[in-house]
Amino acid sequence: QVQLQQWGAGLLKPSETLSLTCAVYGGSFSGYYWSWIRQPPGKGLEWIGEINHSGSTNYNPSLKSRVTISVDTSKNQFSLKLSSVTAADTAVYYCARGFAMVRGTNYYYMDVWGKGTTVTVSS
Amino acid sequence: SSELTQDPAVSVALGQTVRITCQGDSLRRYYGSWYQQKPGQAPILVIYAKNIRPSGIPDRFSGSDSGNTASLTITGAQAEDEADYYCNSRDSSGNHVVFGGGTKLTVL
Repeated sequence: QVQLQQWGAGLLKPSETLSLTCAVYGGSFSGYYWSWIRQPPGKGLEWIGEINHSGSTNYNPSLKSRVTISVDTSKNQFSLKLSSVTAADTAVYYCARGFAMVRGTNYYYMDVWGKGTTVTVSS
Repeated sequence: SSELTQDPAVSVALGQTVRITCQGDSLRRYYGSWYQQKPGQAPILVIYAKNIRPSGIPDRFSGSDSGNTASLTITGAQAEDEADYYCNSRDSSGNHVVFGGGTKLTVL
């Protein structure tokens, strides 16, 4: 049973850098996309970006200038850094495992999620 | 377009059938997936690859698709199905992930 355990600072001041890490337990790191998703209070889910085991990344265009996602395959961990945070970055941040099939029948899903980390940006 | 559109809210009487829809250009290329989220909890995958249920998801949940629309159907809705439901897929380029805005399901 694959589990994701995430951690990081929960309270930041404006202009600081958000830093979160997600560890993967009980499963392979390769063959999947490892994503970060956030959910502002009372709002919907927003995809931040993803990384695969080889370090290839994709980012949400609206956040790309401030986001860095990295991977440490030796520890089965991946991390999120979001720079220059503002109050608009206040949200619950989730890590998740994604799988894509692109072979005629195309589909994508996120089947394992972390429990979420509440990040508040306030002066 | 990289957007997925869902109705903000839907209601259903206990035991009746409800369909939640999701529209977007990317659904012409990718089957949508569906997630259930209850307050204070992480989302849970309930349907993927059009109509596959992960282990542990009740068979009253089913999925379908037509053109640019994916649908989640709950046949015989239960009180515990009251939740927010989100659709998701990769965008048309395949390089990004998109979520619908979510549908709040109320079971009356």
